[in-house]
Amino acid sequence: GAGVSQSPRYKVAKRGQDVALRCDPISGHVSLFWYQQALGQGPEFLTYFQNEAQLDKSGLPSDRFFAERPEGSVSTLKIQRTQQEDSAVYLCASSLATGGTYGYTFGSGTRLTVV
Amino acid sequence: QKEVEQNSGPLSVPEGAIASLNCTYSDRGSQSFFWYRQYSGKSPELIMSIYSNGDKEDGRFTAQLNKASQYVSLLIRDSQPSDSATYLCAVNSGGGSYIPTFGRGTSLIVHP
Repeated sequence: GAGVSQSPRYKVAKRGQDVALRCDPISGHVSLFWYQQALGQGPEFLTYFQNEAQLDKSGLPSDRFFAERPEGSVSTLKIQRTQQEDSAVYLCASSLATGGTYGYTFGSGTRLTVV
Repeated sequence: QKEVEQNSGPLSVPEGAIASLNCTYSDRGSQSFFWYRQYSGKSPELIMSIYSNGDKEDGRFTAQLNKASQYVSLLIRDSQPSDSATYLCAVNSGGGSYIPTFGRGTSLIVHP
């Protein structure tokens, strides 16, 4: 596609519910990143994929967070047993280059609200 | 802990003025530096990247890097109301790390 596509745009979850957030990167982009952005803060790194390999997941805040990119294109970020502190915008970004060496293109984000 | 510091602002400038946005970083080994613009409710958009000391100009934007002082700045000439946004500084350390660290952003307001 022309840009990085994320779905859904908005998600309201009841506390304890599981959610799945989808990212469809720019076609051919090797690198894919997930970030979490709280209100008034900069994006915080969650995890990084190079093709289908998850090379860095050091930013995932707990074992309730899980991400996958099984075929090296679409990625899913799953959050189990959501809690209120999970409320944030989840941003996906992709890059043609390896890693974030040359910057990347962000998707529109998914705004998650846990009630 | 790699840190990227920005004044949260808001920085308010009149239309037509030069807006100067600043960023400092803690990792002396950092190699790649980026400025992203983020409009309210939108996702960040890459506007400038810089990799070596000195100035890099692109239209009304100039990025300045001083590695000795661990300082990177963004100048916006002839500021327009449409430049009103949050500007995020991102720094990519060397040593095989591919993950940029973002600052919290500076809010810029350009008033007519």
